[in-house]
Amino acid sequence: GENVEQHPSTLSVQEGDSAVIKCTYSDSASNYFPWYKQELGKRPQLIIDIRSNVGEKKDQRIAVTLNKTAKHFSLHITETQPEDSAVYFCAAGRGSARQLTFGSGTQLTVLP
Amino acid sequence: ETGVTQTPRHLVMGMTNKKSLKCEQHLGHNAMYWYKQSAKKPLELMFVYSLEERVENNSVPSRFSPECPNSSHLFLHLHTLQPEDSALYLCASSQDYNGNFNYGYTFGSGTRLTVV
Repeated sequence: GENVEQHPSTLSVQEGDSAVIKCTYSDSASNYFPWYKQELGKRPQLIIDIRSNVGEKKDQRIAVTLNKTAKHFSLHITETQPEDSAVYFCAAGRGSARQLTFGSGTQLTVLP
Repeated sequence: ETGVTQTPRHLVMGMTNKKSLKCEQHLGHNAMYWYKQSAKKPLELMFVYSLEERVENNSVPSRFSPECPNSSHLFLHLHTLQPEDSALYLCASSQDYNGNFNYGYTFGSGTRLTVV
């Protein structure tokens, strides 16, 4: 089955700096890579996703890059703000499997 | 409200109790999932239902029993649980197009389960 590794497990940045979270996956058939943000006591929410036919996707301050050859993808957050503090999960999936495999999460703390 | 509602939000139960978790989605999705979230561990898939049929059971102990009476409702029946089963149980839904699912999960807020 799919295995997703996520690093780092914790990340602290100063407000205004950039944050990068990286994930690797094992199943070359995976073709969908979403990122979820989970604030304390709340549900995970999809913030951005990318499919295997593109290498990069951007939405305002967040972007995701995908390297299919190396089987890794990354989340980039620029100009971080305190409200970006949360746990971020990456995931990988393929349609025929009907499921997502999640990484272990990264606790991001943005220091004012 | 995102369209996926879980009840109860918190549950404390003894090891000999029987209880049920409920999930309801109002998004018109046809696939529903149960995930277990423990501290500092990845989200663990427990069960997948697509078109009300169970399509995945990830070696979950029999003390957890899912039920999907229709595409909008999903239950997780619990009996004789162990303290290590204490966790946040998350329900999610998505749209499954004949095995090529839409990929976008919508999660519920979860049920925080404590087994004493």
